[in-house]
Amino acid sequence: GAGVSQSPRYKVTKRGQDVTLRCDPISSHATLYWYQQALGQGPEFLTYFNYEAQPDKSGLPSDRFSAERPEGSISTLTIQRTEQRDSAMYRCASSRGPYNEQFFGPGTRLTVL
Amino acid sequence: AQSVTQLGSHVSVSEGALVLLRCNYSSSVPPYLFWYVQYPNQGLQLLLKYTSAATLVKGINGFEAEFKKSETSFHLTKPSAHMSDAAEYFCAVTGVGGGADGLTFGKGTHLIIQP
Repeated sequence: GAGVSQSPRYKVTKRGQDVTLRCDPISSHATLYWYQQALGQGPEFLTYFNYEAQPDKSGLPSDRFSAERPEGSISTLTIQRTEQRDSAMYRCASSRGPYNEQFFGPGTRLTVL
Repeated sequence: AQSVTQLGSHVSVSEGALVLLRCNYSSSVPPYLFWYVQYPNQGLQLLLKYTSAATLVKGINGFEAEFKKSETSFHLTKPSAHMSDAAEYFCAVTGVGGGADGLTFGKGTHLIIQP
């Protein structure tokens, strides 16, 4: 696609529910990143993929968070048993490779009630 | 370990005045440094980046930044502010290699332009 897209743009859920967020990167981009941005803070790195491989999960805050990119293109970020502290903007970015400029999507605003 | 400190969560300047947004970093390896801008309801857009070439980096929309190793700084400037510059600005750093380990961002500075 022309740019990075994310869906949904807004998600409101109740505490304890599972949510899945989707990222559709620029079609030629091998590398995909997920970031979490709390209100009033900068984005914080969660994880990244090189095609379908996931070399670094170090930023995932707990085992309730998982990400997939099974065919090396679209990626999903799943949060199980959501908690209020998970409320944040979740940003996806893609790049041609791990050492290239990252292009960011518009983000998904998650609110956990 | 890497970190970024942006001084001032809000900066207000008059239209036509100099814009100066401050960024200091810490990194155990030679850094790559970035400035991103975020307009309301949009994704982050790269303004400029330093990747160990020229220390004075020019970016889009008339912005530039100077890498000063002795001061561990990468401040963003623009000679004359325009109303359209009102946005959130983020400084970010990666280790050598430029980003395989993800970007470390500062908390951001909200730039306000007074007419």
